[in-house]
Amino acid sequence: QSALTQPRSVSGSPGQSVTISCTGTSSDVGGYNYVSWYQQHPGKVPKVMIYDVSKRPSGVPDRFSGSKSDNTASLTISGLQAEDEADYYCCSFADRSTYVFGTGTEVTVL
Amino acid sequence: EVQLAESGGGLVKPGGSLRLSCAASGFTFSKAWMTWVRQAPGKGLEWVGRIKAKTDGGATDYAAPVKGRFTISRDDSEKTLYLQMNRLKTEDTAVYFCTTSIVVVTAIDYWGQGTLVTVSS
Repeated sequence: QSALTQPRSVSGSPGQSVTISCTGTSSDVGGYNYVSWYQQHPGKVPKVMIYDVSKRPSGVPDRFSGSKSDNTASLTISGLQAEDEADYYCCSFADRSTYVFGTGTEVTVL
Repeated sequence: EVQLAESGGGLVKPGGSLRLSCAASGFTFSKAWMTWVRQAPGKGLEWVGRIKAKTDGGATDYAAPVKGRFTISRDDSEKTLYLQMNRLKTEDTAVYFCTTSIVVVTAIDYWGQGTLVTVSS
């Protein structure tokens, strides 16, 4: 199972929107509606921001939203804030009851 | 408060073995599905494997790179999760996180702080 493909980095100015893509196959992203997104600040453990493609856990700002089309999932951060600067990883349920993470994207707030 | 505390990491030679432990508290461990995730230094997250609750069959699933070498087990009476790692390779060097899904059942919502495993001669 290969890692899901994410852009290495994205950037935006405060207040702008950025979108991170997560491309897999029909054996993972395209086959199941169990895509989650994690935010990881340097030296910290990851935090779930989106689950089941587009659901937000309690306490996650509604600036974070998720979607999916065919084999590609996306995370959009609207109204970018300084504290959003972090690494983001997608994760999908996959065939044979396994999970696969994405390659990770570094978000920079300019 | 949910707490997950890993232990057992360290330096091991290629081909060697190591067993990681994860002490859990603050939730009903016996009903939880537990997952190990690893992160190589400066690299991304990698799903290692999962064990279901015994009441859900207790099955284990593993990522391809570790299948046949790693074994996940649990002791519900001690509220402890284990990861037995055999035939270790240099590419297994990583911080290993013990995780679980409690509120968000289909994603990981609690993480331990991790324990570093270094495989080197």
